[in-house]
Amino acid sequence: DAGVIQSPRHEVTEMGQEVTLRCKPISGHNSLFWYRQTMMRGLELLIYFNNNVPIDDSGMPEDRFSAKMPNASFSTLKIQPSEPRDSAVYFCASSFSPVRGSPLHFGNGTRLTVT
Amino acid sequence: AQTVTQSQPEMSVQEAETVTLSCTYDTSESDYYLFWYKQPPSRQMILVIRQEAYKQQNATENRFSVNFQKAAKSFSLKISDSQLGDAAMYFCAYRTSPTSGTYKYIFGTGTRLKVLA
Repeated sequence: DAGVIQSPRHEVTEMGQEVTLRCKPISGHNSLFWYRQTMMRGLELLIYFNNNVPIDDSGMPEDRFSAKMPNASFSTLKIQPSEPRDSAVYFCASSFSPVRGSPLHFGNGTRLTVT
Repeated sequence: AQTVTQSQPEMSVQEAETVTLSCTYDTSESDYYLFWYKQPPSRQMILVIRQEAYKQQNATENRFSVNFQKAAKSFSLKISDSQLGDAAMYFCAYRTSPTSGTYKYIFGTGTRLKVLA
């Protein structure tokens, strides 16, 4: 299994630009999560999906952030317009929710730098 | 809402010694899981160990074991015979009861473990 695949691994952009982060969950997993990691706030849950449907987006910091999951094998997190305070590592993770005790499987993250 | 607290921002341990990382959580649920994840400098998140709330027996994975105290809402991680490769950030995580067919995973702020040669 290839694991959760995120792209790009690094992204450097200027303030005001649109940023799109991509994620491919593990095949067969039906739950997908987006987290943001910063030194100050640790790992914050932004949004999660079950069977491609957004369940809880209360962690999305502002309307500048949006996430989609058009099918079971792909999700995007978009920031428009980006700001320097959005600089962080963004993780995508997936799990198979019907299995009790199913852990989260993480991608390698995207390090976003907004200048 | 559930919360997870790791009160030790940083810990150090001598190689081959034992160290315990603390985690407490707050919840009103009875059905949940707890996890410890390791994040080395590569930033990859690696599952270390998991514990089901209904099981009284503490989980063990090789040199890693937990002390799960449900009444006290405490879930500490013990690393025995520490190795240089254990140096990493360790996160405690709580998985909620199911909502809309899935679960929410909440993480603590992490403890950075240094292993001294």
